[in-house]
Amino acid sequence: AIQMTQSPSSLSASVGDRVTITCRASQGIRNDLGWYQQKPGKAPKLLISAASSLQSGVPSTFSGSGSGTDFTLTISSLQPEDFATYYCLQDYTSPLTFGGGTKVEIK
Amino acid sequence: EVQLVESGGGLVQPGGSLRLSCAASRFTFSTYAMSWVRQAPGKGLEWVSAISGGAGSTHYADSVKGRFTISRDNSNYTLFLQMNSLRAEDTAVYYCAKHFGGVPTNMDVWGQGTTVTVSS
Repeated sequence: AIQMTQSPSSLSASVGDRVTITCRASQGIRNDLGWYQQKPGKAPKLLISAASSLQSGVPSTFSGSGSGTDFTLTISSLQPEDFATYYCLQDYTSPLTFGGGTKVEIK
Repeated sequence: EVQLVESGGGLVQPGGSLRLSCAASRFTFSTYAMSWVRQAPGKGLEWVSAISGGAGSTHYADSVKGRFTISRDNSNYTLFLQMNSLRAEDTAVYYCAKHFGGVPTNMDVWGQGTTVTVSS
């Protein structure tokens, strides 16, 4: 199975900060990667698919980049509602695999 | 609005069985692949199983292969997960999710989850 290594596992940031989360695949996955946001007690929400395609309704402060093995989720200006846990998911091949998650906390 | 509603969770003893259901509405169910994803208490997300839109193809995580069976009833817009030989480590919130297309890709719609607890 493809391993997805996500870093950092947690970070503290302030409103307005620029935040970067990375995901590394154990083998090349083209651009077959999505990013999800999950708040406590809620289902995950898809933010970005195909590494960089922003889903409808997702603020433009979110962006994704990368291909092959290295991927990045960037929040250009952190808002109060962005404090959550973020996961990457590779959908290149079965079994689908998630990264371990990054918890974004208030500084 | 597209909706997924899971049911069937509960408390079961180790070695027992449980069948989860996911009722879909407001989209053409048979067109889309569907998955089950779980989250153990305090842990991250784990993809469990997927089924293609036409039900001709199924996929499983190694952790559940041979114990869980995914199926779907396209006429009744329902997804199922039959879970046998349950273990304590299967304790989790189980989400059903819709994929973008007929094969497993990223998941754009999720249910609210149903809780499975495996304990004696």
